[in-house]
Amino acid sequence: SQTIHQWPATLVQPVGSPLSLECTVEGTSNPNLYWYRQAAGRGLQLLFYSVGIGQISSEVPQNLSASRPQDRQFILSSKKLLLSDSGFYLCAWRLDITEAFFGQGTRLTVV
Amino acid sequence: RKEVEQDPGPFNVPEGATVAFNCTYSNSASQSFFWYRQDCRKEPKLLMSVYSSGNEDGRFTAQLNRASQYISLLIRDSKLSDSATYLCVVWDSGAGSYQLTFGKGTKLSVIP
Repeated sequence: SQTIHQWPATLVQPVGSPLSLECTVEGTSNPNLYWYRQAAGRGLQLLFYSVGIGQISSEVPQNLSASRPQDRQFILSSKKLLLSDSGFYLCAWRLDITEAFFGQGTRLTVV
Repeated sequence: RKEVEQDPGPFNVPEGATVAFNCTYSNSASQSFFWYRQDCRKEPKLLMSVYSSGNEDGRFTAQLNRASQYISLLIRDSKLSDSATYLCVVWDSGAGSYQLTFGKGTKLSVIP
């Protein structure tokens, strides 16, 4: 069966520090991968999606970036965090027209 | 811009009540539809897919109206454990379209 792992679960980082969140999927090949952010009391905002290794599409211009170095690995990064980067970050995968499956999320607080 | 709109609620209903949520979508070419449930501070989890003919899973019934571009979710005999935020999700087909568009969710509180 397929599983998705996302870590860390919680993170407190100072403004201006770097960020690296990692997501890996097991039990499937060539999934579409997604990074979403959910701010407090808000809906899910699509940040990045990837349809293959090295292929990244950005939906929202910001100081975040994403990379997909391996088929089932998706990384969200920032060189310098802003206070507004605080939120609940969710990684998800899906195949074709099926539903999406989410990791457990990373709750990031920038202080 | 493709949009999915939901009544944010909150819907406060007593145990045993029937409650219905609606969701409208803007893209008439949308192909797949889902309802997700999100508990507080947790990730969204698939509740059910929505099929053109409508579908039922226990106390939950989902309906799709393509002509009016809305999706509904009906919950019968509400339980305390149904308290959560319900997210409407739409997938649009088309070349290069890999996005799922999420509504902002409808919050349900089932009261003893």
